[in-house]
Amino acid sequence: DGGITQSPKYLFRKEGQNVTLSCEQNLNHDAMYWYRQDPGQGLRLIYYSQIVNDFQKGDIAEGYSVSREKKESFPLTVTSAQKNPTAFYLCASSIGGRAWDTIYFGEGSWLTVV
Amino acid sequence: AQTVTQSQPEMSVQEAETVTLSCTYDTSESDYYLFWYKQPPSRQMILVIRQEAYKQQNATENRFSVNFQKAAKSFSLKISDSQLGDAAMYFCAYTPNSGYALNFGKGTSLLVTP
Repeated sequence: DGGITQSPKYLFRKEGQNVTLSCEQNLNHDAMYWYRQDPGQGLRLIYYSQIVNDFQKGDIAEGYSVSREKKESFPLTVTSAQKNPTAFYLCASSIGGRAWDTIYFGEGSWLTVV
Repeated sequence: AQTVTQSQPEMSVQEAETVTLSCTYDTSESDYYLFWYKQPPSRQMILVIRQEAYKQQNATENRFSVNFQKAAKSFSLKISDSQLGDAAMYFCAYTPNSGYALNFGKGTSLLVTP
C-alpha cells in the first residue's frame, strides 16, 4: 500500500546528542514536509521540500536540519542546538506542493530528551 | 502573517447529535484554501474537508459540512449524526494560493458521549 512511513515511532535522546528521524514515502510525491506538535498546540512547520535537492526553512527551523537526496526520503536531524526537542514529529507529503494539493501525513514519531 | 484561531479547546456532543466547531483566520490574501483535519488518538492526521475561498458553495463530505463566511473570515465545521469514532482533536488549517504548507490552529478536542 502507498503511504508515508516514519521511524522510529519512539526515540529517546540524551542531552547534547544529534538524532535523525526517518521519513519515507512511496506515493511518488514531489513535496515533503516536517511538522512539530507540542501539547495543546497545533502543528508548526520545521522544513519543507518541493523537489529533490532543494528545501526551505519553515517557521521553527532553528536546531534542525534536513536533506532531500532522493524523492522518496526526507530525514530530519534534531541537533544539540535544539534546546527543547521533546515533541511529536509528523512527516507529510503532497503531490506537487501547491496550495490545493492534499497533504498526507505519516503516523508520527515521539522524541523525548532524557 | 496568517493566523488561525480555534476558540474552543474542548467540545462535547452526544451520539447522534450535531456539533459545530469554530475557526477564524486572519489573512490579507483573496485566494486561499481552508481545511479541517482530524487527529484521532493514533495521532495520524486525516483530512476531513477542504474549502476553496473562491467557491461560494460550502463544502460537504457525508456527515461533515462547513459554514464558510469569507467576509467574516470564519470557517466552522458541522458534524451531523455524531458517532463515537468522531472523537478526536480537530484542527483548522489555512494556506494561501501562493503557499506551500499549512498553518494550523491549536485544535479542538471533541468528546462524543453515548
